[in-house]
Amino acid sequence: AAGVIQSPRHLIKEKRETATLKCYPIPRHDTVYWYQQGPGQDPQFLISFYEKMQSDKGSIPDRFSAQQFSDYHSELNMSSLELGDSALYFCASSRTGLGQGRHEQYFGPGTRLTVT
Amino acid sequence: DAKTTQPTSMDCAEGRAANLPCNHSTISGNEYVYWYRQIHSQGPQYIIHGLKNNETNEMASLIITEDRKSSTLILPHATLRDTAVYYCDAGTGNQFYFGTGTSLTVIP
Repeated sequence: AAGVIQSPRHLIKEKRETATLKCYPIPRHDTVYWYQQGPGQDPQFLISFYEKMQSDKGSIPDRFSAQQFSDYHSELNMSSLELGDSALYFCASSRTGLGQGRHEQYFGPGTRLTVT
Repeated sequence: DAKTTQPTSMDCAEGRAANLPCNHSTISGNEYVYWYRQIHSQGPQYIIHGLKNNETNEMASLIITEDRKSSTLILPHATLRDTAVYYCDAGTGNQFYFGTGTSLTVIP
């Protein structure tokens, strides 16, 4: 079965640079979520999109922005990178449809961002 | 979301059942209990969820107490590949809250 695809898998950037992470959800999934997992920490929710509209916002820094496109893929844009942004970034997708509330999420393999 | 508490770590012998508890005493009536796990540095994996009734799928069983204040995830025959951090969450929001979780080690 098709899974969530994330690219790139690894990314090395310098401080103050920008980075763009991409996420391709499972076909027919309409909701995308972004999570950040720092070294030795648990994943933290950043932001989610349903049908190309932002649906929930978590602990996403103002330096980060994200969007979901018409083909449902999503991009996380990160500017003015700091050393503390070094982390695993996971994307997840779900098929929410018109139903409210929680739905099981399927996670991608993650993008490991290293800021030097 | 309801606050959840889980033991920090547990061991289980290979082939035996692993029973992972989760306390969610502040859960409200419409909040589902969800379980995920994360094998080292891989993307978290959905396991199972439930509202009131016990649930079973190909991966695990979920037992929810009648008052819904706690639940137990059961892996019926643990294998070495089940070594992971297991997270439970109870809520209605779209995002999943990864708390401390239980680090399960399956021992040969």
